[in-house]
Amino acid sequence: AQSVTQLGSHVSVSEGALVLLRCNYSSSVPPYLFWYVQYPNQGLQLLLKYTSAATLVKGINGFEAEFKKSETSFHLTKPSAHMSDAAEYFCAVSEGTDKLIFGTGTRLQVFP
Amino acid sequence: NAGVTQTPKFQVLKTGQSMTLQCAQDMNHEYMSWYRQDPGMGLRLIHYSVGAGITDQGEVPNGYNVSRSTTEDFPLRLLSAAPSQTSVYFCASAEGSSYNSPLHFGNGTRLTVT
Repeated sequence: AQSVTQLGSHVSVSEGALVLLRCNYSSSVPPYLFWYVQYPNQGLQLLLKYTSAATLVKGINGFEAEFKKSETSFHLTKPSAHMSDAAEYFCAVSEGTDKLIFGTGTRLQVFP
Repeated sequence: NAGVTQTPKFQVLKTGQSMTLQCAQDMNHEYMSWYRQDPGMGLRLIHYSVGAGITDQGEVPNGYNVSRSTTEDFPLRLLSAAPSQTSVYFCASAEGSSYNSPLHFGNGTRLTVT
């Protein structure tokens, strides 16, 4: 079965600092990978997805992620954090053709 | 468009009671799914459907039933609620298979079983 591991359940950064949220996947074949964001009391929204077209994927709100096969990683970054980025972020991997398996999530706090 | 609508928003049940969590989408999506979200465990797939009349089990299906009689609706039934089913439940839909299209999530149902 596919799985994703998100290192760090909580990450805190200052406004304007680099955001780095880590995700490693387990897969014997190139997977489809996703990052979703959840704001308080809401469902999840898609930030970006990797489907093998390009290793560097740009998403909404200035986020991007790089697929590194050698490291089995798909870390999420943003050069400069904004207060509105405070949320919970989930990495997810496709399993088969019709399942999406989520990681345990990383809560991002942004301090002024 | 309303998107994915879940009802109720909150529910408290006693152990052994049954109930149905409703999910409806107005985007004509073929794919629908149910997840539960628990602290420290992320989202876990309960059941999913790739079209009307077709359902399948996810990671944690025990204690839950689903049916898909129409494209729009995908109710989740708890037959005999247990405290371990206290969670936040999310319904999600997608235009194609889950890996190919973004999932559209409802705002969740917070369920407490006492």
